[in-house]
Amino acid sequence: RKEVEQDPGPFNVPEGATVAFNCTYSNSASQSFFWYRQDCRKEPKLLMSVYSSGNEDGRFTAQLNRASQYISLLIRDSKLSDSATYLCVVNRFNKFYFGSGTKLNVKP
Amino acid sequence: GAGVSQSPSNKVTEKGKDVELRCDPISGHTALYWYRQSLGQGLEFLIYFQGNSAPDKSGLPSDRFSAERTGGSVSTLTIQRTQQEDSAVYLCASSSGTGTFYGYTFGSGTRLTVV
Repeated sequence: RKEVEQDPGPFNVPEGATVAFNCTYSNSASQSFFWYRQDCRKEPKLLMSVYSSGNEDGRFTAQLNRASQYISLLIRDSKLSDSATYLCVVNRFNKFYFGSGTKLNVKP
Repeated sequence: GAGVSQSPSNKVTEKGKDVELRCDPISGHTALYWYRQSLGQGLEFLIYFQGNSAPDKSGLPSDRFSAERTGGSVSTLTIQRTQQEDSAVYLCASSSGTGTFYGYTFGSGTRLTVV
């Protein structure tokens, strides 16, 4: 079983829509959690850390459910510029495990 | 420097040749990671350096792959006798401390093509 699993998508949504991605992780000893964004042919960039209490950054909200071992990312009021692949990342003892990413296409 | 710097940005090599990829992490970052990403695929962990500790080499796919980090800063990833399946983007990332709670910053990668 993979360490981190994500629905590859693509998610095709119109501008202004709200879209949510989920990610599950297999090891309950995982310590910290992140969402990264990767544009086509570019390196991944940190979007936000994910905390147990949930955290929000503008239009983006991340949630962590340790009991069920899943992480979510909610994007409100989608913009064309949000089109990218979103990578779920889990850290355990200094090793980072990446999901294979969920592709988002925001259409006009 | 301001970010993680990798060189070369692109490398085309003939099958069987050796290549060296370079990563210059953010100044002061003690943790350095190498990943590779094949076209349309996720990131594959290769190797991790933390300070002066012995590196975690558990992700290196074969003994043709090796990496070193000199003086706790610059790292080189060497691939000997390259094969076509080595073609991928090789990404380096660094973080302060262990990066456990801060994530890390990637370089823009080296796109390796073995022909």
